[in-house]
Amino acid sequence: TQLLEQSPQFLSIQEGENLTVYCNSSSVFSSLQWYRQEPGEGPVLLVTVVTGGEVKKLKRLTFQFGDARKDSSLHITAAQPGDTGLYLCAGDQPGGFKTIFGAGTRLFVKA
Amino acid sequence: GAVVSQHPSRVICKSGTSVKIECRSLDFQATTMFWYRQFPKQSLMLMATSNEGSKATYEQGVEKDKFLINHASLTLSTLTVTSAHPEDSSFYICSARTGGVGTEAFFGQGTRLTVV
Repeated sequence: TQLLEQSPQFLSIQEGENLTVYCNSSSVFSSLQWYRQEPGEGPVLLVTVVTGGEVKKLKRLTFQFGDARKDSSLHITAAQPGDTGLYLCAGDQPGGFKTIFGAGTRLFVKA
Repeated sequence: GAVVSQHPSRVICKSGTSVKIECRSLDFQATTMFWYRQFPKQSLMLMATSNEGSKATYEQGVEKDKFLINHASLTLSTLTVTSAHPEDSSFYICSARTGGVGTEAFFGQGTRLTVV
């Protein structure tokens, strides 16, 4: 069974601070996705990374896929209260079709 | 992005009754849909993979007779929680892919099930 370990599980920071969330596995993934979920709603896709070493930017969010395609990170610059939410990494098994999720990082940004 | 609609968003039922949750892909055809369960403050746990025209594939530990999945068309999958009990209370979420391996998965808005 492939596992995605996500850290930290909870993060409370002040507005304006930077943060990084990590997603690690001992297995190779064909792709990794990052989602954000609000309470009572389904996850919303932020980005998909496919190529080892790939870096994608989405405004203040920077996503990186490890060279070996076993890990990924999400970096948020100058966090804002609107960034508060549950961030989930998810991966597709190589050659497979199932998506498995990390435990999630609950981010709280204080004004 | 593609739209996946889930219905109902909330449902309360009595113990012993069955509840059906629908998952529809509104603007694309989905040969495969996925059903997840999420407990409070926890991540999504894959329950089963729903395949159009064939039997669902259940994850280890998920009772197939308890959680009946039907994928009768390319745009609709249903999850029926049979003989519901309070411990079945949870947030159920479906997702669908727009294509094959490597394509993005889009999620429904989820269904909050409360069994009283």
